[in-house]
Amino acid sequence: EAQVTQNPRYLITVTGKKLTVTCSQNMNHEYMSWYRQDPGLGLRQIYYSMNVEVTDKGDVPEGYKVSRKEKRNFPLILESPSPNQTSLYFCASSKPRGSNTGELFFGEGSRLTVL
Amino acid sequence: AQSVTQLGSHVSVSEGALVLLRCNYSSSVPPYLFWYVQYPNQGLQLLLKYTSAATLVKGINDFEAEFKKSETSFHLTKPSAHMSDAAEYFCAVSESGGSYIPTFGRGTSLIVHP
Repeated sequence: EAQVTQNPRYLITVTGKKLTVTCSQNMNHEYMSWYRQDPGLGLRQIYYSMNVEVTDKGDVPEGYKVSRKEKRNFPLILESPSPNQTSLYFCASSKPRGSNTGELFFGEGSRLTVL
Repeated sequence: AQSVTQLGSHVSVSEGALVLLRCNYSSSVPPYLFWYVQYPNQGLQLLLKYTSAATLVKGINDFEAEFKKSETSFHLTKPSAHMSDAAEYFCAVSESGGSYIPTFGRGTSLIVHP
């Protein structure tokens, strides 16, 4: 089954404790992206990747890191989480460039609470 | 540059009533347009998309949207609301021939009353 898988789905942590949210897709998609969703603010892009070893900042990259060492994986790293990073996070991927319209395939989301 | 405006952060309808969710976009090139739906505690899934073919696009669960270039709009409609339609709806635009990275609106929460 074609899917984008995120883990963990739910996490409660404390300020300053490094954490990683994993994202994996099995559709051979080149493009992958992370978003955060907050009430009243919609979806805001954190980082995206056009292909392996190619990453770029989105609209709200501060406090986050990403890496793209393999095509299928795109982990989101919070080196020193703070309470303002409490949010619902989504990973998404998209088809190869030649046939792309911008349609995204989303994971189920990861709800993070930083105390 | 591209942008999306969704009018109304919340829309409330009665079961059986017409659903209308508004989306206006700006794009410097012909756009691709999307509506996504997010049911409670789930990720976003594609409802329908416009990619320069027919201007009236039909999606899942009897939803449809019409691309109106002169009005730069892509409003989402459904003739008769069901309780199960209660969800968050996002409009998005990407630029054909460009980077294809989509821009999302802020979302509209659809509330359906019995």
